[in-house]
Amino acid sequence: DAGITQSPRHKVTETGTPVTLRCHQTENHRYMYWYRQDPGHGLRLIHYSYGVKDTDKGEVSDGYSVSRSKTEDFLLTLESATSSQTSVYFCAISDLQSYNEQFFGPGTRLTVL
Amino acid sequence: AQKVTQAQTEISVVEKEDVTLDCVYETRDTTYYLFWYKQPPSGELVFLIRRNSFDEQNEISGRYSWNFQKSTSSFNFTITASQVVDSAVYFCALRMSGYALNFGKGTSLLVTP
Repeated sequence: DAGITQSPRHKVTETGTPVTLRCHQTENHRYMYWYRQDPGHGLRLIHYSYGVKDTDKGEVSDGYSVSRSKTEDFLLTLESATSSQTSVYFCAISDLQSYNEQFFGPGTRLTVL
Repeated sequence: AQKVTQAQTEISVVEKEDVTLDCVYETRDTTYYLFWYKQPPSGELVFLIRRNSFDEQNEISGRYSWNFQKSTSSFNFTITASQVVDSAVYFCALRMSGYALNFGKGTSLLVTP
């Protein structure tokens, strides 16, 4: 299994508070991604990174920011959490050598009250 | 625009039946990649297969087979002699520019004894 961890695995927070989710990989893959999964929507891309300090927006990026200061870590920040951001968040990694197969972390279940 | 449609929201079969999960995609790219992922009740996302647009050979892996047809823009997944352990949500996905994946909304498969 690809070495991808996410922390925390579960979090309950209140509306208006900032939240940071961490994705850590040990595979030295160049690309990293954050998706959210909601019933009836499948997985939707929030942000992705194609290298250290290189990031771009995805389909549902509003209300989220990301940072990647080193290859192994990709942080997702909810600047002011809202109830609509209650979701399961998945991190994924990929590399050109693997033909862009994405390997996913275990997910973080976030509840915003 | 790139789009993946999984028209079947839920499928229920009895063990040992064959079942086909449909996937229809839209893309303007001449080179593209399609994927299938499995999400069992435990929640992790498991990579099943990748298919390149220039390789139209069908693929068989044990009880799993995939039928890729560019003429109909379809990449269907068949499970032969289904088992209870096949119960999961199955996602079809299309690689976007930037290497992220555009997922269909998933098909929930329930296999009953």
